[in-house]
This record gives sequence, C-alpha cells and structure tokens, in this order.
Amino acid sequence: GESVGLHLPTLSVQEGDNSIINCAYSNSASDYFIWYKQESGKGPQFIIDIRSNMDKRQGQRVTVLLNKTVKHLSLQIAATQPGDSAVYFCAENPGNTGKLIFGQGTTLQVKP
Amino acid sequence: NAGVMQNPRHLVRRRGQEARLRCSPMKGHSHVYWYRQLPEEGLKFMVYLQKENIIDESGMPKERFSAEFPKEGPSILRIQQVVRGDSAAYFCASSPETGVSNQPQHFGDGTRLSIL
Repeated sequence: GESVGLHLPTLSVQEGDNSIINCAYSNSASDYFIWYKQESGKGPQFIIDIRSNMDKRQGQRVTVLLNKTVKHLSLQIAATQPGDSAVYFCAENPGNTGKLIFGQGTTLQVKP
Repeated sequence: NAGVMQNPRHLVRRRGQEARLRCSPMKGHSHVYWYRQLPEEGLKFMVYLQKENIIDESGMPKERFSAEFPKEGPSILRIQQVVRGDSAAYFCASSPETGVSNQPQHFGDGTRLSIL
C-alpha cells in the first residue's frame, strides 16, 4: 500500500554540523514531495519541495535529494542551528490528488 | 499576509457533545484540506474541499464527522457526539487557486481537541 516512512525517529547533531534526514516512499505514482518542519505546538511549516522530474533542489541552507530508483528522499541541512530543532516530516502527493501522505517524522535535536 | 487561521486553538468537550473547528485559508487560496495528528505520529489526511464542494473525503470517518467550505466564511470541520478517541490535533491547510497539482499546502497551527 501507500506509505511514506522515515529511517530514524531521532537525529542528534552538534551545532554547526550538517544534518541529513532520510525518507522512503513506496508509491511509484508520487510525483511531488515536500519537506515540512513542525515545532512544538505549531503546524507544519513548508521547507522545500521537489518534483519527480528533478533529482536535487536547493534552498537556503537546505537541499532535497530525490532518488526515484530506490524511492528515497533526503533533506540536508547545512550548518545546523539550535533553531532547526524540530520534527521533520516528508510528504508525498501521489497522482496529484491533493491528498498528502505524511511519514512518521524525525526529531532533530541540535546540541550546543 | 495572514497565513492559514484556525480557531479555536484549544477546545475541550465532554463525551457526546459536538465540536466545531474553523479554518480560514490564506488569501487567494480556494483549496482547503483537513488533517488529524495523534501524539508522536504524522498527519493523516481527512478531507479536501473547494468552495462549496467536497472533492475527496476518503480519510474522514463516515459517521459523526462532516466538513464544509461555504461560499462565504471559513471551512468548518464538525464532529458530532464526540468520543475520547477523537482527542487529537486537527490541522487545516490551503493551496492556491491554480490547483493542487504540485503546489505546496500551507498549514495553520491547528486546533487541539480534548475530550473529557
């Protein structure tokens, strides 16, 4: 069935290091992917998205990589800061249905 | 540039009462989505609406739950005869009029529903 999952539930990194958060998806029909950041007590905040016709997309301090061969998505955060501490979710939109399928989330902890 | 607005932020109801959750999309957005989040879990899709139309309600329980997005006013998620299992955070998202295809959904800060 359709599923989006994350490999690790918690990631702990040192301030200033780079962070890599991974995501696996199973629906070959998915052609649009989004990364969200959710802080405690708040809603998911859009970080970056990527379409299936791309392998890589860069934003400010963030890069998303898409490997369609192995159905893998990753979010890279450069020079991780304490403000990056949050839960990160990947989401897929299979077949342009408007129905986002979310993974379970990875908690990113940034140590000072 | 107001984002997606949800109210109330917190709602407490006793079993058997009704809960009404409201969502005003971002300006210029006519697509609204509702999701439910249990503690320590990801968001689960419930329903997708455009103005006056339900497009996809495949994630919404058939009984007790309903949603609307009238021509004027906010979208409403209504839960009748609430039970303890309805306790969760309910999030609303919206996307632009250009359509759902490859457009990011922007979320509000949710309504935390607690059932006593």
